Amino acid sequence: KNQVEQSPQSLIILEGKNCTLQCNYTVSPFSNLRWYKQDTGRGPVSLTIMTFSENTKSNGRYTATLDADTKQSSLHITASQLSDSASYICVVSITGTASKLTFGTGTRLQVTL
Amino acid sequence: DGGITQSPKYLFRKEGQNVTLSCEQNLNHDAMYWYRQDPGQGLRLIYYSQIVNDFQKGDIAEGYSVSREKKESFPLTVTSAQKNPTAFYLCASSMYRTSSYEQYFGPGTRLTVT
Repeated sequence: KNQVEQSPQSLIILEGKNCTLQCNYTVSPFSNLRWYKQDTGRGPVSLTIMTFSENTKSNGRYTATLDADTKQSSLHITASQLSDSASYICVVSITGTASKLTFGTGTRLQVTL
Repeated sequence: DGGITQSPKYLFRKEGQNVTLSCEQNLNHDAMYWYRQDPGQGLRLIYYSQIVNDFQKGDIAEGYSVSREKKESFPLTVTSAQKNPTAFYLCASSMYRTSSYEQYFGPGTRLTVT
């Protein structure tokens, strides 16, 4: 069964600190992996998208890594800001399908003063 | 939220009533999607459309219906047959029809049925 599991479920950090969110997947055949940021009550916004051949991709203070061999990804947030408080969702797509994305349940991040 | 609009943001209905959620995009995207989001669960696909006048059922289509009469519009009707309609509904679109392409999400509609 295709699954995407994220950890931790929730995380509280102080402003300015770094954090790393984890994503493990069993989706096959793999096409790409995406990280989305979703503010409360809003639609998800894409942060990064990585294909099989990419193992690191950055978007400002966000850096995603992908290990296709172990089927793991991480999202590292550097120098966190209050505006980083949101849910971060890992999404994996399957090769050759018109629509099939498998969504993780997300990590809820709260950045505090 | 890009060029995707959903309306209304909040919607309240009585049990037994059908309700239609609007989704419009001005990105000239071919494909459009409807997802449902419940607390503690990942997004689940309700319906998708790859081209005008064609749509396919997703994983949880029962109790929902859609139409795709125009490229820019993909309304979702939640019927009285949907047993647990209270949820956050998200519309998305992508340039091309395969899942390799970026999906852009709208701001969502929160539906409450009592």
